[in-house]
Amino acid sequence: DAGVTQSPTHLIKTRGQHVTLRCSPISGHKSVSWYQQVLGQGPQFIFQYYEKEERGRGNFPDRFSARQFPNYSSELNVNALLLGDSALYLCASSTVSGGPYEQYFGPGTRLTVT
Amino acid sequence: AQRVTQPEKLLSVFKGAPVELKCNYSYSGSPELFWYVQYSRQRLQLLLRHISRESIKGFTADLNKGETSFHLKKPFAQEEDSAMYYCALSGGEGAQKLVFGQGTRLTINP
Repeated sequence: DAGVTQSPTHLIKTRGQHVTLRCSPISGHKSVSWYQQVLGQGPQFIFQYYEKEERGRGNFPDRFSARQFPNYSSELNVNALLLGDSALYLCASSTVSGGPYEQYFGPGTRLTVT
Repeated sequence: AQRVTQPEKLLSVFKGAPVELKCNYSYSGSPELFWYVQYSRQRLQLLLRHISRESIKGFTADLNKGETSFHLKKPFAQEEDSAMYYCALSGGEGAQKLVFGQGTRLTINP
């Protein structure tokens, strides 16, 4: 198993544009979470989806949205990009929805907004 | 509000010396605490969690509810321990929302 995969690896967008980031969880994992990591900071929680339902939402504006597909892969969408959205976006998968269980992280997508 | 504080951005120790990475948290309920590590050019991975009460790669961490701390310790540092370490908290609530500290970059000098 390749672990959690994310695409693309890097991308550059212009202010005001829209972006879609993709994540494939480890086989058998039904939970996917998204985190934003700004340079020099720890990851910050954006969303969690489990069995295609939103289970948690962080303190992010409505420009951020996500969804999970029947195969448990997920997309994170960001509209009307701002310079401050430049960050590493991490996806993590897990077998369950809650509890003190390990989350397995992907390599991240580096988004640069110019 | 849930908050995790790692007071040291950088920590440098010599090989064979003891290591302690500090983590303090703020949470009104019963937290679940984790240490995640990121080695150079690798992805973020779980090092240990307080509920398991285990030692991984020689590291241990004890949850001190009185001091709201979850410091990571290792008696004898090794060069391969050089990495970025993040303390994280989960408040449960049915979701796996992790609140991370800003991280400590640990460098082990030969």
